[in-house]
Amino acid sequence: GAVVSQHPSWVICKSGTSVKIECRSLDFQATTMFWYRQFPKQSLMLMATSNEGSKATYEQGVEKDKFLINHASLTLSTLTVTSAHPEDSSFYICSARGTGRESDTQYFGPGTRLTVL
Amino acid sequence: GQNIDQPTEMTATEGAIVQINCTYQTSGFNGLFWYQQHAGEAPTFLSYNVLDGLEEKGRFSSFLSRSKGYSYLLLKELQMKDSASYLCAVLDSNYQLIWGAGTKLIIKP
Repeated sequence: GAVVSQHPSWVICKSGTSVKIECRSLDFQATTMFWYRQFPKQSLMLMATSNEGSKATYEQGVEKDKFLINHASLTLSTLTVTSAHPEDSSFYICSARGTGRESDTQYFGPGTRLTVL
Repeated sequence: GQNIDQPTEMTATEGAIVQINCTYQTSGFNGLFWYQQHAGEAPTFLSYNVLDGLEEKGRFSSFLSRSKGYSYLLLKELQMKDSASYLCAVLDSNYQLIWGAGTKLIIKP
């Protein structure tokens, strides 16, 4: 089946620093990648949708200058949380949708747990 | 607006059968997904329905009625490891996934 990896799995950082999270589709080409955030005991919240080679589309209320998304290739998208603050602590999950067989659904990465001190 | 409804929480007994319902009102429809999410983990894909009817996959089955805007996920022979949240999501006319809030399923011995 289609596999999506995320790195790192968890990260602890100081307030004010930037954190980069990578999302990779390992065995298929992901034309579209999605970034979600999930706070404890809450639903997944879509942050942004990115298509390879074009700018990401952010959901309402998500600051695009704070959450920088780059989808430079068909297998890699990155989310950079700039100047992180404790309220950015959350579970960040990416998903990927490809073409052909992999276009039917979104395949999720294992998630990255971010803790900002 | 777009809306997906599913129960917040359900409890069932190990070995039994449980049905988790999902109703939706979306702008367009390109399929309905069910995902399983264990606490602290990312969702994993369970099923995809785009045509009316029942899709069976082992202990899990998913049903869709497009005319009624209704789906259910049926879990048979429940095991303790089935304790998780089950998320219903609809792919709308823009091919965006609209998520339900999830149903927390608690399995008791």
